[in-house]
Amino acid sequence: GESVGLHLPTLSVQEGDNSIINCAYSNSASDYFIWYKQESGKGPQFIIDIRSNMDKRQGQRVTVLLNKTVKHLSLQIAATQPGDSAVYFCAENNWEEAAGNKLTFGGGTRVLVKP
Amino acid sequence: DTAVSQTPKYLVTQMGNDKSIKCEQNLGHDTMYWYKQDSKKFLKIMFSYNNKELIINETVPNRFSPKSPDKAHLNLHINSLELGDSAVYFCASSRMGNTEAFFGQGTRLTVV
Repeated sequence: GESVGLHLPTLSVQEGDNSIINCAYSNSASDYFIWYKQESGKGPQFIIDIRSNMDKRQGQRVTVLLNKTVKHLSLQIAATQPGDSAVYFCAENNWEEAAGNKLTFGGGTRVLVKP
Repeated sequence: DTAVSQTPKYLVTQMGNDKSIKCEQNLGHDTMYWYKQDSKKFLKIMFSYNNKELIINETVPNRFSPKSPDKAHLNLHINSLELGDSAVYFCASSRMGNTEAFFGQGTRLTVV
């Protein structure tokens, strides 16, 4: 069973409601900011990214907002579904020709969807 | 069709042993990575490697060494395992110029 990660910040949301997950980042020079989703027993899965010169980007049921003034990133999930239950990570991405993508992950937020 | 696959999924071993974790990607990506996820779910990059260069995170002990026999494989060798090495290790890959990294399912290493 999964006994680790229980002290992660947790967001409980009712099925069908909207979810907002927040993240503070540190490096203003990062090229991209990315959200990953990690389900129990699996590896992180890319959700959506936003380039550093943008404020908002929309995907399917998800919207990412970037506020560079306060170094804040958020992920909005519309009409949250049980399958959205997971740990969500924000990450800063810096591309280096030699190293490829250098992802620096934040601490993660657990989303629990209540039926 | 698994994109990034790691073996084994679980590994339990005694302190002082040497072990390897294998990783293969069938995506044709040119860069591969190893990440470590600790008990608090914190993910940290250990290595990145393409066919040109290995970039090592300076905080990674030299007991850890990645080995890449070809572009599709990046294996992780760990010598003289310590209790603190217990964690979940993730392999990942990406294509040059693309921000999306694809992760394997992870290897849960437990050192006893």
